[in-house]
Amino acid sequence: EAGVAQSPRYKIIEKRQSVAFWCNPISGHATLYWYQQILGQGPKLLIQFQNNGVVDDSQLPKDRFSAERLKGVDSTLKIQPAKLEDSAVYLCASSLGSSSGNTIYFGEGSWLTVV
Amino acid sequence: QKEVEQNSGPLSVPEGAIASLNCTYSDRGSQSFFWYRQYSGKSPELIMSIYSNGDKEDGRFTAQLNKASQYVSLLIRDSQPSDSATYLCAVNGPGRRALTFGSGTRLQVQP
Repeated sequence: EAGVAQSPRYKIIEKRQSVAFWCNPISGHATLYWYQQILGQGPKLLIQFQNNGVVDDSQLPKDRFSAERLKGVDSTLKIQPAKLEDSAVYLCASSLGSSSGNTIYFGEGSWLTVV
Repeated sequence: QKEVEQNSGPLSVPEGAIASLNCTYSDRGSQSFFWYRQYSGKSPELIMSIYSNGDKEDGRFTAQLNKASQYVSLLIRDSQPSDSATYLCAVNGPGRRALTFGSGTRLQVQP
């Protein structure tokens, strides 16, 4: 079974530029998550989708971050304009459902460096 | 107060010893508890889940949960150098809340 796919794996941009990350979850997984992991910290949830609807985006900096999952399958996370503090790994994850017992599987991550 | 707290370490143990990793959480409504392992430069991978008070064993790993004390731990028996990684404790509550992670404990197993 294919895992969570993410691209690009690595990106270096200058501050104030924009960047987009793509994620394709495990087939059949209704719930998709974007987490931000800054070096030395645990993953922090940015947004959670259930099919194509948003369940939780309370920690998404909406002035610069946006995410969509239009057809309920793959998803895109965009940052515009980027700041130095956005340097992090952006982890996409998916699970069958959103109830508390569902296992979350992570992709390999997209590493962003803002210079 | 952080929602999920872990000692950042590093926790250093000799090969063959028992490594004990601890985690506390603040939300008494939390229902599911997970331990993820993260190697440097890699994404987190699930190693254990536990939902009820007591112990749960899987191979060399034992997860322990005490909801009254809001405490969850992971024991790794016969530690191997390949166990050297950061161990993330994750918790979620009722409903559709996503996992909340601690900052992780770095484990070093010395050959």
